Amino acid sequence: DAGVIQSPRHEVTEMGQEVTLRCKPISGHDYLFWYRQTMMRGLELLIYFNNNVPIDDSGMPEDRFSAKMPNASFSTLKIQPSEPRDSAVYFCASSDHSKNEQFFGPGTRLTVL
Amino acid sequence: AQKITQTQPGMFVQEKEAVTLDCTYDTSDPSYGLFWYKQPSSGEMIFLIYQGSYDQQNATEGRYSLNFQKARKSANLVISASQLGDSAMYFCASKGEGGATNKLIFGTGTLLAVQP
Repeated sequence: DAGVIQSPRHEVTEMGQEVTLRCKPISGHDYLFWYRQTMMRGLELLIYFNNNVPIDDSGMPEDRFSAKMPNASFSTLKIQPSEPRDSAVYFCASSDHSKNEQFFGPGTRLTVL
Repeated sequence: AQKITQTQPGMFVQEKEAVTLDCTYDTSDPSYGLFWYKQPSSGEMIFLIYQGSYDQQNATEGRYSLNFQKARKSANLVISASQLGDSAMYFCASKGEGGATNKLIFGTGTLLAVQP
């Protein structure tokens, strides 16, 4: 069974550009999470979905960030406009309501110049 | 609110020896779960072990065991017979159970270096 799939794996963009990160959760999982990892702030949850519905977006830094989950097998995290301080590794994770562990994707390393 | 504290920024251990990585937690949830994840230099987050707050026995998964001391609010990870491939960053995390929250709160991590 394929794990969580994220694309792209690396993204380099210029300040002001729109960035879209993509995630495909593990089939059958009903929870999807977006995390951000930086040296300064560590791993922090941005938003999570249950059955495609956003449940908690309190970690989304500001209005420049938005996330969608149009169906059970796809989610996007969009940053518009991007800023250098958005540079980080963005992880997507998914889990099943009957299990405890969250399975992480390989991450997208975003660099905003 | 939940908080995870990992006081060891870095640890060294000799190959084949055991090592304990410390984790203390603070939560107001009556029921909660504790997790350990491994992040090697390649960057992926690998789930290692889980302990539920009402589990009577300490969790074990192969060479990993979780030393759960509820009264002290600690959930230390013990790695037995360390291998060179264990060199990585290790994160402790907690999750409240019940209620509306399902999010993991992570500690700052401990960087483990296994020496030959």
